[in-house]
Amino acid sequence: RKEVEQDPGPFNVPEGATVAFNCTYSNSASQSFFWYRQDCRKEPKLLMSVYSSGNEDGRFTAQLNRASQYISLLIRDSKLSDSATYLCVGMDSSYKLIFGSGTRLLVRP
Amino acid sequence: GAVVSQHPSRVICKSGTSVKIECRSLDFQATTMFWYRQFPKKSLMLMATSNEGSKATYEQGVEKDKFLINHASLTLSTLTVTSAHPEDSSFYICSARVGRQGARSSGNTIYFGEGSWLTVV
Repeated sequence: RKEVEQDPGPFNVPEGATVAFNCTYSNSASQSFFWYRQDCRKEPKLLMSVYSSGNEDGRFTAQLNRASQYISLLIRDSKLSDSATYLCVGMDSSYKLIFGSGTRLLVRP
Repeated sequence: GAVVSQHPSRVICKSGTSVKIECRSLDFQATTMFWYRQFPKKSLMLMATSNEGSKATYEQGVEKDKFLINHASLTLSTLTVTSAHPEDSSFYICSARVGRQGARSSGNTIYFGEGSWLTVV
């Protein structure tokens, strides 16, 4: 079983739509969690950290449910520029980042 | 904010030769750097953890004699792909952990380099 698992997609949504990504993790990747965004042929860029209390940054909302070992990312009012691959990432106790395979989002006009 | 610089961004080399990729933290000290490899449409896979002044810790299945990692200073780690083969062609990315608490960052903040595309022909 992979340590961090997420639906590869692609999610193909119209501009303005709300889209949600889900991710599950195993115990070893259980210290901290993040969502990264990766554009084609580029390095990953931190989108936001994920906290148990849930956190919001503009159109983006992240949730963490430790009991279910489940992480989510909600994007409201999708923009064309949101098209990218979204990586669910866990950090273990030695600061290693464990990446999910990524969920590809395509926002169409 | 913190910046990690990786060089070269693209490199083409012949089979059997060696290639060195550099990863520098530009405005912070990085006690730990990580090297990842990413094949097309695949996730990033951790290759090794590099700690300043000590030997790198390699992940299972990664050949330490093939992928030489040196972390000689708090701002520089290098990955050398030795005797490169076409199957080593990949996107190599480094990341660096901020070594200490600072006004702008916390101890578990990770910054990524821009990545290096290696093509072995």
